[in-house]
Amino acid sequence: QVLLVESGGGVVQPGRSLTLSCEVSGFTFRRYSMHWVRQPPGKGLEWVAFISSDGTKKYYAESLKGRFTISRDNSKNTLYLQMTSLRTDDAAVYSCARPGEFTDAFDIWGRGTMVTVSS
Amino acid sequence: EIVMTQSPGTLSVSPGERATLSCRASQSVGSKLAWYQQKPGQAPRLLIYGASTRASDIPARFSGGGYGTEFTLTISSLQSEDFAVYYCQHYNNWPFAFGGGTKVEI
Repeated sequence: QVLLVESGGGVVQPGRSLTLSCEVSGFTFRRYSMHWVRQPPGKGLEWVAFISSDGTKKYYAESLKGRFTISRDNSKNTLYLQMTSLRTDDAAVYSCARPGEFTDAFDIWGRGTMVTVSS
Repeated sequence: EIVMTQSPGTLSVSPGERATLSCRASQSVGSKLAWYQQKPGQAPRLLIYGASTRASDIPARFSGGGYGTEFTLTISSLQSEDFAVYYCQHYNNWPFAFGGGTKVEI
């Protein structure tokens, strides 16, 4: 069974940092690129970041460049998202997603981890 | 940066009726367009990729069309389980982007 399980969310003060993890199972992680997507409460989906299968290519949403860093550890089947200088509008459910076998669209999603930014 | 615009924001339909959702890209994305369904408290589910190819296990009542900047998702005969929010997404170049969503309600 293919699974993506996010963790690391919680309540953080504005200006602080937080690192999210996405542990995968049921497929060969090192063969796939991965993405992070976020969804503020009651709002739509926002693409956050991409990392290639070997970790050498990374792309970010323009509004997040410089504050968020995507990384991966293929030996641990885990994807990460380091978030710094957090703002109240970063509050969202953060989900990891995997492209399909035959498409770059996202066919496997995790359930997400909630990040709340509040003093 | 490509902006994706979905319309309408909310679509009110009755079970058994046909629903047509629209998605417009601010510049051409070719056929690199996907549709997702999201129900409350659940992760999005891929319905359509490549603008018109149904993903695995997606019923035939879901169909996608379009190319370039104009796309549609059609649900031929709405079932009770189809009431949800639908998002389009382009994956033609960086950054990828989602539309704002269309809520399909009874």
